Amino acid sequence: SQQGEEDPQALSIQEGENATMNCSYKTSINNLQWYRQNSGRGLVHLILIRSNEREKHSGRLRVTLDTSKKSSSLLITASRAADTASYFCATAGGFYNQGGKLIFGQGTELSVKP
Amino acid sequence: NAGVTQTPKFQVLKTGQSMTLQCAQDMNHNSMYWYRQDPGMGLRLIYYSASEGTTDKGEVPNGYNVSRLNKREFSLRLESAAPSQTSVYFCASRADLVNDEQYFGPGTRLTVT
Repeated sequence: SQQGEEDPQALSIQEGENATMNCSYKTSINNLQWYRQNSGRGLVHLILIRSNEREKHSGRLRVTLDTSKKSSSLLITASRAADTASYFCATAGGFYNQGGKLIFGQGTELSVKP
Repeated sequence: NAGVTQTPKFQVLKTGQSMTLQCAQDMNHNSMYWYRQDPGMGLRLIYYSASEGTTDKGEVPNGYNVSRLNKREFSLRLESAAPSQTSVYFCASRADLVNDEQYFGPGTRLTVT
């Protein structure tokens, strides 16, 4: 069963605008990660936020985590055409998560128009 | 460093045929994973290997077997392929508990007719 649900499923914006994607999950987590997938390629890790963190930044990326609501958001500021891709959230379970398994959401397809 | 490599890139099988998907990583990572990706389903974990010599089932293991040949290599075998196994298969690796992110290969696109 899928842990994460992502919203929206698809998002189309103009270059320079901000893009926000949301992820909800069901069980306790150790950390939550965001990945990007360009069409026909493998996934690339973007950012990881631990369960005791509320906000994290990396370049134009800002991630927030609300463990009380079991939700996270990814904000991409000043988007570029090269940001066009699918974005996935993935959760790593709690203390007994042997092997570092991740459970992925269904993804948000972002299209940035020049 | 090549990172995570997968072979083949594309494969077409007939129902009932068998094949092995190969995965190798050159980052000296302990853990390795096999996922399948279907449209609208995200990635689902098939099997994983937390360390050399161990393998465990993931969310969708039926119809698959795996071998952790050594620290570098983790193969996925389909003994009798079925159309429901048409998918894109990704291999990934992870360094350790501190560096928790996973590194993905480019994928194998498998079609079973």
